[in-house]
Amino acid sequence: AQTVTQSQPEMSVQEAETVTLSCTYDTSESDYYLFWYKQPPSRQMILVIRQEAYKQQNATENRFSVNFQKAAKSFSLKISDSQLGDAAMYFCAYRLNYGGSQGNLIFGKGTKLSVKP
Amino acid sequence: GAGVSQSPRYKVAKRGQDVALRCDPISGHVSLFWYQQALGQGPEFLTYFQNEAQLDKSGLPSDRFFAERPEGSVSTLKIQRTQQEDSAVYLCASSLELTDPLGTGELFFGEGSRLTVL
Repeated sequence: AQTVTQSQPEMSVQEAETVTLSCTYDTSESDYYLFWYKQPPSRQMILVIRQEAYKQQNATENRFSVNFQKAAKSFSLKISDSQLGDAAMYFCAYRLNYGGSQGNLIFGKGTKLSVKP
Repeated sequence: GAGVSQSPRYKVAKRGQDVALRCDPISGHVSLFWYQQALGQGPEFLTYFQNEAQLDKSGLPSDRFFAERPEGSVSTLKIQRTQQEDSAVYLCASSLELTDPLGTGELFFGEGSRLTVL
C-alpha cells in the first residue's frame, strides 16, 4: 500500500526567509503524481505544486519549488521569500497516474507552517 | 459558481441523529471524491464516483455511511445514527477526469463541511 509521511508536524520561518518542508512516500509503482497542497483556516485545499514522477526536472511555481528524489522517494517543498500569507497547513499527497479510485489522493498528516513577521 | 461548493459548512448533531452533507462539483467534472479529515490529520478517502456510478466505497468506515450522486452532478454524503467518532471535516473534490487529455491530475476541493457530534 502507498503511504505518505511528513515528519515535521510544525515548522516556523521568518518573513522573507526560506523554509523547506519534508515528505517521503512509499510505493512500488513507477507512474504517479506528487502534490503539495496548502490548507488555510478556511479549510479549502489549494494546489501549490505538482510533480509527475516521469519528469526528472524539479517543478517550480514562482516562490515554490520541489526537490524530487525518485530513488529515495523524497519530495520536499521549498518556499522562498516567505510571506505572511504562506502560513497554513501543508499536505504532501500522492496519486497513481491512472483512472478510477486508484487515482485518488493519499495524503500525509500535514505540516503546520507559521510565518513570523 | 466556478468552484466546488459544499453545504452546510458547519453542522452540529446530537449523537444518534442522521445528517446529510451536500457537494456541488464543478460543472462537467466526471470524477467526484469524498474525504474525511479528522482534527490534526490529513484527509482520508471515503468514496469515489465516476458520473453517477459509485465505483469505490472501500473507505466508508461503516454501513452508517452512504453516498449517492444520482444524476452525475450533485452528491450527498449521508451519515445515519451519528457517533462522536464521526466528528470531522468532510471534504469533497472533483476533477474533469483522472485521465484527462491534459494529464493534470488535479483535484479541486470544496471548503468542507465540519461535523460535530455531541
